[in-house]
Amino acid sequence: DAMVIQNPRYQVTQFGKPVTLSCSQTLNHNVMYWYQQKSSQAPKLLFHYYDKDFNNEADTPDNFQSRRPNTSFCFLDIRSPGLGDAAMYLCATSSARGPNEQFFGPGTRLTVL
Amino acid sequence: GQNIDQPTEMTATEGAIVQINCTYQTSGFNGLFWYQQHAGEAPTFLSYNVLDGLEEKGRFSSFLSRSKGYSYLLLKELQMKDSASYLCAVLDSNYQLIWGAGTKLIIKP
Repeated sequence: DAMVIQNPRYQVTQFGKPVTLSCSQTLNHNVMYWYQQKSSQAPKLLFHYYDKDFNNEADTPDNFQSRRPNTSFCFLDIRSPGLGDAAMYLCATSSARGPNEQFFGPGTRLTVL
Repeated sequence: GQNIDQPTEMTATEGAIVQINCTYQTSGFNGLFWYQQHAGEAPTFLSYNVLDGLEEKGRFSSFLSRSKGYSYLLLKELQMKDSASYLCAVLDSNYQLIWGAGTKLIIKP
């Protein structure tokens, strides 16, 4: 089945220790998104790629970086995680910009100790 | 600014009907989505409305009034598994999804 896969599902890191979250998709979608979602809050868009075209949201901290080496894979790097970065990180894809459904991966829950 | 409002929490009884409302103020409008999100899981797509009116899909229906900036999600014959958060999201003029914080629906036997 075509899907969006995120690894790991649960990630524990220490304050200030870099961490990388990964996302892969078998849907062959052009657009990939990274969201941060804290408990009982709306998902917050961090960035998105349209093919290799990278789009950073204005209020995404510099501490967050992303890489998309090919159509299938996308990575979220948190260079120096703080306690406030503990959240669920959701990867999503869509076939194009526009009124297209976004397909979400299962998410990675990040804990910062 | 852009804003999506929906109730924080609602409670309903198994077998009953519940309506979850969403009002929005956004820079442009290219459609409205409803997603279901179970606790600790990712959102899953429920519906998409871009024209005024009611879209029915099994036990779930979604309504849109663009002139009023208003939508609702109607859930019929509620089941315990419908206990989840329901997120309203609007696609703005830049095709960015603006998300509401979600409505937590609690179903009681």
